[in-house]
Amino acid sequence: NAGVTQTPKFQVLKTGQSMTLQCAQDMNHNSMYWYRQDPGMGLRLIYYSASEGTTDKGEVPNGYNVSRLNKREFSLRLESAAPSQTSVYFCASTRTSVETQYFGPGTRLLVL
Amino acid sequence: KQEVTQIPAALSVPEGENLVLNCSFTDSAIYNLQWFRQDPGKGLTSLLLIQSSQREQTSGRLNASLDKSSGRSTLYIAASQPGDSATYLCAVKSGSARQLTFGSGTQLTVLP
Repeated sequence: NAGVTQTPKFQVLKTGQSMTLQCAQDMNHNSMYWYRQDPGMGLRLIYYSASEGTTDKGEVPNGYNVSRLNKREFSLRLESAAPSQTSVYFCASTRTSVETQYFGPGTRLLVL
Repeated sequence: KQEVTQIPAALSVPEGENLVLNCSFTDSAIYNLQWFRQDPGKGLTSLLLIQSSQREQTSGRLNASLDKSSGRSTLYIAASQPGDSATYLCAVKSGSARQLTFGSGTQLTVLP
């Protein structure tokens, strides 16, 4: 099993450009999450999907949209990137919301 | 709103030493508490998960304890090794929330 995979690994954008971060899991998990990690601030939840077909906002959703394409895939879209969105983005999944989360390797995003 | 604090932010110890990492949280109504390890440039790896009804969990040289009434958890690492060098993150699943709340982490360096 590959676990949780994320693409791309690294991306540089100019302010105003758009991009989609991809996440896929092969563990048949129901719930998937998108976090951002900034220095000294821990991980903060952007959006999550408790099950296929549902999505909900987390702590910092502004400037982002998500799509739960199917049970395996959960994508994060930046419509108009801003320098404040420079961060490391992690996708995670879990079978149920009270079990441990499994994380992908992250996408490092730099917005100039 | 749940807040999770980890002190110290960084810790350096000689190889072989036993050590304790601390995590505190403000709202004692939790489902569970998890400890993660993060290596530089990598995703998070789950180490231990303690359900709210449990007092401790053990895995190899790691032992995590939970005291809900005082809002504290500790991660005990026995006989530390240079390979234990990483950032250790504590995360709490609150009773009222679907998401994890993370601390900022403790960066551990074990010197050979």
